[in-house]
Amino acid sequence: GEDVEQSLFLSVREGDSSVINCTYTDSSSTYLYWYKQEPGAGLQLLTYIFSNMDMKQDQRLTVLLNKKDKHLSLRIADTQTGDSAIYFCALENGSSNTGKLIFGQGTTLQVKP
Amino acid sequence: NAGVTQTPKFQVLKTGQSMTLQCAQDMNHNSMYWYRQDPGMGLRLIYYSASEGTTDKGEVPNGYNVSRLNKREFSLRLESAAPSQTSVYFCASSSRDRVNTIYFGEGSWLTVV
Repeated sequence: GEDVEQSLFLSVREGDSSVINCTYTDSSSTYLYWYKQEPGAGLQLLTYIFSNMDMKQDQRLTVLLNKKDKHLSLRIADTQTGDSAIYFCALENGSSNTGKLIFGQGTTLQVKP
Repeated sequence: NAGVTQTPKFQVLKTGQSMTLQCAQDMNHNSMYWYRQDPGMGLRLIYYSASEGTTDKGEVPNGYNVSRLNKREFSLRLESAAPSQTSVYFCASSSRDRVNTIYFGEGSWLTVV
């Protein structure tokens, strides 16, 4: 089945850029997603990219997709303390009609002032 | 707009006890899901329901049962709780539009002693 891998922890200083990486094994997902989870809360959709795109920019967020290497990344520019959270990449599992997503383990982003 | 509401938020159970986690969504979504979140393992799908009246097993269904009572409600039952079921449980729903945006509840923290 689909396997989605992320590193577990990233620490940056406020104002720096953060890059969170994700690798996956199955290329059939039409969309690839990034979710954010703040402490004590559920996950919220942060951004997504269509599988035939290489890059998507949304304000401070840049998503890069390298389909050849099966690598997805999320770059946060000018990282703020409010960006401290767990970030999950997610891919569609099997037929997109089922709506099921497979999540990575989550990367905890720590932003130091 | 309530979104996805799940109860209870916190519960402590003794091994062998049973309980039901309740979930309701007010977004008229067809698909609903139950995930569990464990440290370093991301979110794993327990069961999902693609539409009212249908349910299917996810990645980790053993020890759980579900009921899709109507379009709004999707409950998760632990018949005989085990310490391995100590986890944070998330209910979610989605409309399965072109972009599969999944909306999550705030989580239920379950401890089995």
